[in-house]
Order: sequence, then structure tokens, then C-alpha cells
Amino acid sequence: DSGVTQTPKHLITATGQRVTLRCSPRSGDLSVYWYQQSLDQGLQFLIHYYNGEERAKGNILERFSAQQFPDLHSELNLSSLELGDSALYFCASSTQLNTEAFFGQGTRLTVV
Amino acid sequence: AQRVTQPEKLLSVFKGAPVELKCNYSYSGSPELFWYVQYSRQRLQLLLRHISRESIKGFTADLNKGETSFHLKKPFAQEEDSAMYYCALGVDSNYQLIWGAGTKLIIKP
Repeated sequence: DSGVTQTPKHLITATGQRVTLRCSPRSGDLSVYWYQQSLDQGLQFLIHYYNGEERAKGNILERFSAQQFPDLHSELNLSSLELGDSALYFCASSTQLNTEAFFGQGTRLTVV
Repeated sequence: AQRVTQPEKLLSVFKGAPVELKCNYSYSGSPELFWYVQYSRQRLQLLLRHISRESIKGFTADLNKGETSFHLKKPFAQEEDSAMYYCALGVDSNYQLIWGAGTKLIIKP
């Protein structure tokens, strides 16, 4: 157990819908990262938050947004969902002084 | 620009054979490099980092600053080593990890 918790584990939804994925980082970790992993692709970095502030953006679509709350948990919002958004979404956290990342189990999103 | 390159998408070797997964990086600062492993249907987990100089599950990786490489090696592959391996570069300026595309390692019996 890495200490990073993601909910839900599985999500099935229809095209055009909106979903929210939740991540609770390890206790004390200030950084939260979101990644997308599709079947035919590797790990795609989406966005990084540090202590509530956005620090870096990767290949994140405009339909997607995220935030980190004062208690350091984070949410990834995916809207106007398309079939191609079906993927495993990972959250990872790290401490402020250490770039080693600890990953959650991921949320498997299926858009039908 | 900061970049991590894993040239092999897929690497297939026989059990007992040596394994080398390649990783090259591009970074002007002092690199902090990691290897992560993802076994089937499991979360990514840290395998090793260059600072610790450990050998985990028989794997080692040496940072070669001259060649800007951090190749992962194991002298005798085992079937349980079959997994997806990612090389990552830590960037201190914003505590970000830059990821390679990953190499799928298949160990044939």
C-alpha cells in the first residue's frame, strides 16, 4: 500500500457526461500529480499541483480540469467525455523535498 | 529541454538471459533518476533510484553523466520480471517527474 488513495476504482459512463476522480495523497505529501494511461500509450502527464497551486501542465485537454484543496486532496474533473477518454487515471504524490512519487491504484474510466 | 528517452517499446528475452533496458535523458541540471515498474494490473511502484545505489530484485542501474544514460540491468532474467518499466527524471525546479514512454519487458520461459 503506497498510502495514496484513489476513488472510485472503476467508473463507467456515457459519452458527453462529466465525472470527478478523487485522490488523497500520502500524509504530509504536498505534491499531487495526475496521469493518464491508455492501452496503447505509456504514462501521459496531465497536471501537477503543489500545496494547492498548479505547478505544471502536461497534455491535459481543455475539457479536463483539476484542483487541489486545502486538505491537499485533489480532484480531476473530466467533462464532455469521449470514447477516447477511456483510460486508467493515476494519481501520485510526493513530499516537498523529494521527487520520488508514490502512486495510487488508479481509476479505470470506461466511456461507452 | 528536459526529456527522457526509452528507445525500446518492447523487449523480449529468455529466462536466465541478461536484461538491459535503456534510458537516456536530457537535462541541464543535476539529474535525479528513477526506474518505476508496473506489474500487470497493479500500480506503478518505485524500483530504484540512482541516489540510493541499491540493487532491488537483482536490478541495478548506474548513472552515466557522460552518456546521459541510466540503463537498467539484471544479469539473469526471471519470469516474474515481466512488466512495464518506466524511466523518470526528477526536476527539482518544480518537483516534477519527466517520464519515458516505457518499455514492456517480456521474459519467455
